[in-house]
Amino acid sequence: DTEVTQTPKHLVMGMTNKKSLKCEQHMGHRAMYWYKQKAKKPPELMFVYSYEKLSINESVPSRFSPECPNSSLLNLHLHALQPEDSALYLCASSQDQRGGEQYFGPGTRLTVT
Amino acid sequence: AQSVAQPEDQVNVAEGNPLTVKCTYSVSGNPYLFWYVQYPNRGLQFLLKYITGDNLVKGSYGFEAEFNKSQTSFHLKKPSALVSDSALYFCAVRDIRGSGNTGKLIFGQGTTLQVKP
Repeated sequence: DTEVTQTPKHLVMGMTNKKSLKCEQHMGHRAMYWYKQKAKKPPELMFVYSYEKLSINESVPSRFSPECPNSSLLNLHLHALQPEDSALYLCASSQDQRGGEQYFGPGTRLTVT
Repeated sequence: AQSVAQPEDQVNVAEGNPLTVKCTYSVSGNPYLFWYVQYPNRGLQFLLKYITGDNLVKGSYGFEAEFNKSQTSFHLKKPSALVSDSALYFCAVRDIRGSGNTGKLIFGQGTTLQVKP
């Protein structure tokens, strides 16, 4: 099973709202990732967690706050977003951070109004 | 600096014909190379990878890719295209610079493959 699940599939939020995106994998992977993707563009890395610790933050604004409660779960907390944050948010996981392929979830389509 | 180039924004091919989606890379050491496919409103699906070993790598859905070190290329190929292969394809290289393998994937800009009946 190479499945990464993400909820919700779609999310519409106002600029003053607080919401969370969730990601789950049961492949025993120890590295998990958040990406942001605009239409027809490559994914842009936001965060990397390795063994449940934040390993990489690609200078993401503080209105995005990641959390890794355990080795299977990854959350992205959203607060005071801007319309330009509207995008497809993808979660991915891999065996570990050192090599191998990443498996992506279907994404959450976020619209900020 | 590590980089990946996909020189074609779009590739058009007739169903049943062979297809090639081009990718070239630039890395300071040995590359880890990947191909992903993305269907509309979906996440990326892993197709195949090259880490080491045989230069011809076989992957999912009948796709294969040839690693060419001298030309720094990793072109994606399929002998006979299907209409259902129409999608956005990304080539990626793994960043293994510096003090360790950061795990960061560096993506090309993507190539839209259109297979016509």
